[in-house]
Amino acid sequence: DTAVSQTPKYLVTQMGNDKSIKCEQNLGHDTMYWYKQDSKKFLKIMFSYNNKELIINETVPNRFSPKSPDKAHLNLHINSLELGDSAVYFCASSQDGHSNSPLHFGNGTRLTVT
Amino acid sequence: DQQVKQNSPSLSVQEGRISILNCDYTNSMFDYFLWYKKYPAEGPTFLISISSIKDKNEDGRFTVFLNKSAKHLSLHIVPSQPGDSAVYFCAASSDAGAQKLVFGQGTRLTINP
Repeated sequence: DTAVSQTPKYLVTQMGNDKSIKCEQNLGHDTMYWYKQDSKKFLKIMFSYNNKELIINETVPNRFSPKSPDKAHLNLHINSLELGDSAVYFCASSQDGHSNSPLHFGNGTRLTVT
Repeated sequence: DQQVKQNSPSLSVQEGRISILNCDYTNSMFDYFLWYKKYPAEGPTFLISISSIKDKNEDGRFTVFLNKSAKHLSLHIVPSQPGDSAVYFCAASSDAGAQKLVFGQGTRLTINP
């Protein structure tokens, strides 16, 4: 009965490959997010979707393309992977897009690009 | 340009004593602040929050204090328990538009028995 689940947990791939990370939430939340935790441990927002509509798109290379087939799913596709993409990627959801709605995070996907 | 900073990467506290984690921010537009707790190989989990209209919020053993003039907030845990050992992230947001949490880099808290 995991609230926010993302797969895979670990992803090791070579430079230049294309990969996807999937995320699903069963909380009935309207808003979903992708965050990236870099080597310095900062969690930084990448994208936010509300009811399948893109709300936030931070300065992220266009090799990263989120897709939300419905409000319970937000997948992340990454083209032409680079060494600098190695990080932990967290999916999250919240009841709505307001600041007083806490985020519920998945357990992260550790991406290693070699 | 880190708008939220946690200057102590780690903190070690004796079980039963008080743990105080600190956080500073630079953006005066922030009006909501949250603390998240993270165990290894798990995602962060929400712990406690505070609105900028308050200066204190308490939930059981956890209390968050906000000093707007100093742009500083702190999380107090008392009494500290071994299960509190984790990484604690401070986060801030402004409600101008969609939610966009800005996180600090975390403080690793270790509670010693």
